[in-house]
Amino acid sequence: KAGVTQTPRYLIKTRGQQVTLSCSPISGHRSVSWYQQTPGQGLQFLFEYFSETQRNKGNFPGRFSGRQFSNSRSEMNVSTLELGDSALYLCASSYLYNEQFFGPGTRLTVL
Amino acid sequence: GENVEQHPSTLSVQEGDSAVIKCTYSDSASNYFPWYKQELGKGPQLIIDIRSNVGEKKDQRIAVTLNKTAKHFSLHITETQPEDSAVYFCAVSAGPTSGSRLTFGEGTQLTVNP
Repeated sequence: KAGVTQTPRYLIKTRGQQVTLSCSPISGHRSVSWYQQTPGQGLQFLFEYFSETQRNKGNFPGRFSGRQFSNSRSEMNVSTLELGDSALYLCASSYLYNEQFFGPGTRLTVL
Repeated sequence: GENVEQHPSTLSVQEGDSAVIKCTYSDSASNYFPWYKQELGKGPQLIIDIRSNVGEKKDQRIAVTLNKTAKHFSLHITETQPEDSAVYFCAVSAGPTSGSRLTFGEGTQLTVNP
């Protein structure tokens, strides 16, 4: 089975811009979760989508949003980018609860 | 919310030695405890996990033990090899009530010296 794929792998944006990241889960997986990884804060949960509905949300401002499509692919959007949004954004998929498999991540740099 | 503490933050061992990484958690409702290995430039890779109804699980050179009463669990790697060098993360989940949400520890940089 193909693993979780994320596009793009690298992204450079400037403050104030917005960005959209994409994630394709493992075939058959209906849950997609997003995490932010930074050296200072570690791995932090952003949100989870299951069957096109947001099932859980972490403690991030409303500038961070996401959605899931009928084929389980997911996108996350960050509006009005800030320098502190520079991070590795990871997507993980799971079939049922718990066992999550991560993609390689999208490295976002905000200048 | 859930809080997970992981120790040590760095660990250096000689090839062939054992390595142990420990985590404690705060939420007694947590019932799923995975461990991830992250190599440079890659996403975290699930290496082993344990559920709350089990005290120990082993997969070749890797084992995880869980003490629900004390709210701590540990990763044990035996006969370490240079390719085991990576950052290891523990995580916890409260299961269906929190969906698939994982709360992670801060990570342990493991270095295996040849």
